[in-house]
This record gives sequence, C-alpha cells and structure tokens, in this order.
Amino acid sequence: EAGVAQSPRYKIIEKRQSVAFWCNPISGHATLYWYQQILGQGPKLLIQFQNNGVVDDSQLPKDRFSAERLKGVDSTLKIQPAKLEDSAVYLCASSLGLSSYTEAFFGQGTRLTVV
Amino acid sequence: AQSVTQLDSQVPVFEEAPVELRCNYSSSVSVYLFWYVQYPNQGLQLLLKYLSGSTLVKGINGFEAEFNKSQTSFHLRKPSVHISDTAEYFCAVSGGATNKLIFGTGTLLAVQP
Repeated sequence: EAGVAQSPRYKIIEKRQSVAFWCNPISGHATLYWYQQILGQGPKLLIQFQNNGVVDDSQLPKDRFSAERLKGVDSTLKIQPAKLEDSAVYLCASSLGLSSYTEAFFGQGTRLTVV
Repeated sequence: AQSVTQLDSQVPVFEEAPVELRCNYSSSVSVYLFWYVQYPNQGLQLLLKYLSGSTLVKGINGFEAEFNKSQTSFHLRKPSVHISDTAEYFCAVSGGATNKLIFGTGTLLAVQP
C-alpha cells in the first residue's frame, strides 16, 4: 500500500516570497491533516479536512497561509508571503475518517527554510 | 481542550538499559492516546496506541505503554534499548468529534554504546 506522498522534500526561499506544498494521501482516506513542526517542537495542527471540507483551521495563520483539497483527494498548502518564522517541516497526514480511533499516517514532510 | 506534556526533552541512556519516557495528558472527554517515533529526516511512525480495554499496550520494536487514568499518564517503556532506538518520541492525544491529534513537544531518546 502506498503511503502519504509529499513534495517537494526541501525548499529554500527568501522572505516575502510564496511557496506551495503538495500532498497525496493514502487512497480512500477521507481525512487529511497539515501539521507544522518547528525545530525542537512537536507537530502543530494547521488544518484538517474531511473530504474537501474544512473541519478545523483554528491554528492556521489565515493572513498568509491557505490550503485546499480539491475533489477530496490531493491537497496543497500555500504560504504567501513567507516569514522567517515559517521555517519548519510541514507534515501531511491522512486517516480513514473522523473517528478518533482511526490511525493517522504521515508523509516524510517538506522542510522549508526561509532566508 | 486537550493537551499533552512530555516533561523530558532529552533522555540519555546506555545500550541494553531500560528506559521510560513520560507523558501526561489533560482532557475533558474520553481520550485515545498514541506514541509516535520520528527518525532523522523522516515522518512520524506509530509505535502504539491506547483506544480502550487493557491498560497495558504493546507496540512495535519492543515498546510498551501503560494508560493510567487516575494519574492521566501514558508512559512509554522498553526493557532494553538498542542504538537503533535513538530517535524523537512524541506522545499524542485525540478525542471528541473531530479526531484532532494533539502532540507533545517530544523527547529525544539518545542511546549511547
């Protein structure tokens, strides 16, 4: 079974530039998550989708971050404009559904460096 | 609201020694508890989970954890560690209607020869 795919693996941009990350979840998984993991910290949930609808985006900085999940499958996360403090690993995860006992599977992440 | 506390940011231990990584949680609803491991430059991999039933949960790579509701803890243990266990370990909690997975700050397990 293929896992969660993310691209790119690494990205370096200058502050004020824009950047986009892509995630392809495991086939059949209705729930998709984007996490931000700053060095030395645990992953922080940015946004959670159920199919193509948003379940939780309470910690998404909406003035600069946006995310979409078209057709309830792939998802993109965009930052525009980027700030130095956005340097982090962005992890995508997926799970079968909203039930709390459904395991979340994680991709390898995209490491963003803003200079 | 739910939260997770991992008190130890780093735990050094010698190879073949036992280890315990501590995790405490708070929640106003019934919870599900997880331990994830993250190797360098890798994503998160599930070690084990507590959903219900027996409070002692066994996971992969010889790890186990015990759910203690009265102490709101879910400590991770391994009787004998290997060099290959060196990694970051995250405790996580979910519960409620949205399956929001909340992580602790992580504990770096550093196994020394």
